Amino acid sequence: AQRVTQPEKLLSVFKGAPVELKCNYSYSGSPELFWYVQYSRQRLQLLLRHISRESIKGFTADLNKGETSFHLKKPFAQEEDSAMYYCALSPYNQGGKLIFGQGTELSVKP
Amino acid sequence: DAGITQSPRYKITETGRQVTLMCHQTWSHSYMFWYRQDLGHGLRLIYYSAAADITDKGEVPDGYVVSRSKTENFPLTLESATRSQTSVYFCASSKTGWAFFGQGTRLTVV
Repeated sequence: AQRVTQPEKLLSVFKGAPVELKCNYSYSGSPELFWYVQYSRQRLQLLLRHISRESIKGFTADLNKGETSFHLKKPFAQEEDSAMYYCALSPYNQGGKLIFGQGTELSVKP
Repeated sequence: DAGITQSPRYKITETGRQVTLMCHQTWSHSYMFWYRQDLGHGLRLIYYSAAADITDKGEVPDGYVVSRSKTENFPLTLESATRSQTSVYFCASSKTGWAFFGQGTRLTVV
């Protein structure tokens, strides 16, 4: 079965603290993995794509095929990082169709 | 403006009425998608389309109908709205494997 699991509904940290949003997936082949971010009542925006290996807004994510995980990390959280974060999996050769996790709300307190 | 736009942004309708949500993209992306966003469920795929006149069911298609006569438009119709269809609906398009989202339509069925 194809599935994405984000175990934390809410993650609350203080400004300057490290952040790790967890994502585990279930997929039999080699998926493409993404992190999307949704700021309050706005559209979803692509944050990271695993194949690009970029760091966006200080966030990084490493695909661990052995643990089937794609955790999102940032060493020093900022208040403007407060948002809803979705991990998503795109099955091979399905045109960008996405399977989403349930989302994790990140709250960064001053 | 280039991009993907949804209309209306907000809609209140009564149980049993037919409602159509519009989605328009200017990139000529071949793939388009409709998702619904509900608390605790993340985003779930309703329908998607690989090209004009090609559509397929997603995870939660019951009660919805789509059509795609032109590449740029992908309307979603609720044939007889029910309260369980109260949700935020996101349209997305994709060309190279990652999806771009519209602003969302907040639909309330009373």
